[in-house]
Amino acid sequence: QVQVVQSGAEVKKPGASVKVSCKAAGYIFTDHPMHWVRQAPGQGLEWMGWIISVNGNTKYSSKFQGRVTITRDTSASAVYMELSGLRSEDTAVYYCARQGANDAFDVWGQGTLVTVSS
Amino acid sequence: QLVVTQSPSASASLGASVKLTCTLSSGHVSHAIAWHQQQPKMGPRYLMKINSDGSHSKGDGIPDRFSGSGSGAERYLTISSLQPEDEADYYCQTWGTGIWVFGGGTKLTVL
Repeated sequence: QVQVVQSGAEVKKPGASVKVSCKAAGYIFTDHPMHWVRQAPGQGLEWMGWIISVNGNTKYSSKFQGRVTITRDTSASAVYMELSGLRSEDTAVYYCARQGANDAFDVWGQGTLVTVSS
Repeated sequence: QLVVTQSPSASASLGASVKLTCTLSSGHVSHAIAWHQQQPKMGPRYLMKINSDGSHSKGDGIPDRFSGSGSGAERYLTISSLQPEDEADYYCQTWGTGIWVFGGGTKLTVL
């Protein structure tokens, strides 16, 4: 069964960093890029960036450039998203999503709630 | 600038059909798009990809009640025989060279 499973909820203080993991199963990990998308409370979906799983190349949304780092561990079939300099506006559910062969996001993780609060 | 636009809300009666619209920005009318469904308190689920010629490819397990089409800059998601579980947010997504964008979402209410 093709799936991507994310790590659990996090609570962080302003200025801290958070690292969320996304573990792939049921398919060849390096065959598909992985993306990160976030959703603030009551808001829509916002693309953050992606990683090409086979070579580790990344590209980030200009909004998050400089604060977000996406990495992968092919031996673990896992992708990680680290967001630094957290502020209250970063409180959101963070999703990883697999890019399918047709370029659409065809498999989504269950989401990870990150709460930033002093 | 690559943008997709959706109406914020739509409504239709139980058992009826509804057609949601996603509009591509000028200069990007030949782009493919994808539709995703997000039921309350759930994560998004991939529904289908719609190409510029209106052809579409659905995700695994997506019921036949869901279909897609396109015309010019518009891409459509049609849901027939509406069920209570179809009440959800529907997001349109497109992509270009190294960039992916989402529409603001359409909240569908089943009356």
